[in-house]
Amino acid sequence: EAQVTQNPRYLITVTGKKLTVTCSQNMNHEYMSWYRQDPGLGLRQIYYSMNVEVTDKGDVPEGYKVSRKEKRNFPLILESPSPNQTSLYFCASSFGSGIHSYEQYFGPGTRLTVT
Amino acid sequence: AQSVTQPDIHITVSEGASLELRCNYSYGATPYLFWYVQSPGQGLQLLLKYFSGDTLVQGIKGFEAEFKRSQSSFNLRKPSVHWSDAAEYFCAVGDSGYALNFGKGTSLLVTP
Repeated sequence: EAQVTQNPRYLITVTGKKLTVTCSQNMNHEYMSWYRQDPGLGLRQIYYSMNVEVTDKGDVPEGYKVSRKEKRNFPLILESPSPNQTSLYFCASSFGSGIHSYEQYFGPGTRLTVT
Repeated sequence: AQSVTQPDIHITVSEGASLELRCNYSYGATPYLFWYVQSPGQGLQLLLKYFSGDTLVQGIKGFEAEFKRSQSSFNLRKPSVHWSDAAEYFCAVGDSGYALNFGKGTSLLVTP
């Protein structure tokens, strides 16, 4: 089944404790992206990757890191999480061919709470 | 940056009634427009998209949307709503870096 998977689905952590949220897709997509969803703010893009070893900042990159060492994986790293990073996070992927890169498939989401 | 506005935060519709969810965009050229649906506890699923051409686009689950340049709108419609359509609906516009700029969403409640 074609899908985007995220792990963990739920995470409660404390301020400053480094964490990684994994994202993997099995559709051989070139484009991958991370969004966060907050009440009243909708979804906002954190980082995106056009292909292996090619990443760039989205609208809200502060406090986050990403890497793209393999085509299928795009982990999101919070090196020193803070309470304002409490949010619902979505990974998305798409074929990296022009405008069809906008047709993104989303993972189920990771709900992160930082205390 | 391109943006979309969804004027209705909540909408309640009776099962079997028709539905229209509003979306207005802000963009000078022809935008790339999308509607996504998010069911409780689920990720986002693409309902339909508009890139160019025919202004009435058909999507999955019986949904359609009409692009109206004169009104800067891309409203989502369904002729007869089912209880399973209750969800959060997001309009989005394509932006630089292949990002999707989402509206704040419209929550649909379907009553018996």
